Amino acid sequence: KAGVTQTPRYLIKTRGQQVTLSCSPISGHRSVSWYQQTPGQGLQFLFEYFSETQRNKGNFPGRFSGRQFSNSRSEMNVSTLELGDSALYLCASSLSRGDEKLFFGSGTQLSVL
Amino acid sequence: AQKITQTQPGMFVQEKEAVTLDCTYDTSDQSYGLFWYKQPSSGEMIFLIYQGSYDEQNATEGRYSLNFQKARKSANLVISASQLGDSAMYFCAMRVFNAGNNRKLIWGLGTSLAVNP
Repeated sequence: KAGVTQTPRYLIKTRGQQVTLSCSPISGHRSVSWYQQTPGQGLQFLFEYFSETQRNKGNFPGRFSGRQFSNSRSEMNVSTLELGDSALYLCASSLSRGDEKLFFGSGTQLSVL
Repeated sequence: AQKITQTQPGMFVQEKEAVTLDCTYDTSDQSYGLFWYKQPSSGEMIFLIYQGSYDEQNATEGRYSLNFQKARKSANLVISASQLGDSAMYFCAMRVFNAGNNRKLIWGLGTSLAVNP
């Protein structure tokens, strides 16, 4: 069974640009959540999607958005990139919203220059 | 405030020995869950073990066990018989529910474990 797949693995962007990251959950998993990981702040929750609807949101500005498609694949978008957005972005999937066990992808390493 | 504290930024252990990674948590919720994840250099976060707040027995998963002391609000991870492949970052996390009854994971800053041959 394939794991959680995140693309691309690495991204380099400049300030002011926008970026879209993709996440394909494990087959059959319907809940997808996104996290930002930085050395100073650790992992911080961005948002969670289930059945194509955002169910939960962390404390990030509106520049961070996401969506989920009918096949449970999810994308997150960051507009007007800032230097502080440089981070590892991790996607996690689970069977359902109540499932405690999350399966993570290897992440997308975003560098903003 | 809901918080996870991992006080050991780095740890060393000899191969085949046991090691304990510390985790303390703070929450006023009665229902919560505690997790440990491993993050090797590849970046993927790997689930290791879970303990629910109402579970009376300490959770075990192979060489991993969680030493859950509710009164002390601690959830230490014990790795027995360390292997070279255990070298990685280890994160403690706590699942709580926010005001909208949505699940939320709060993470510690991690402990870097190095296993020496």
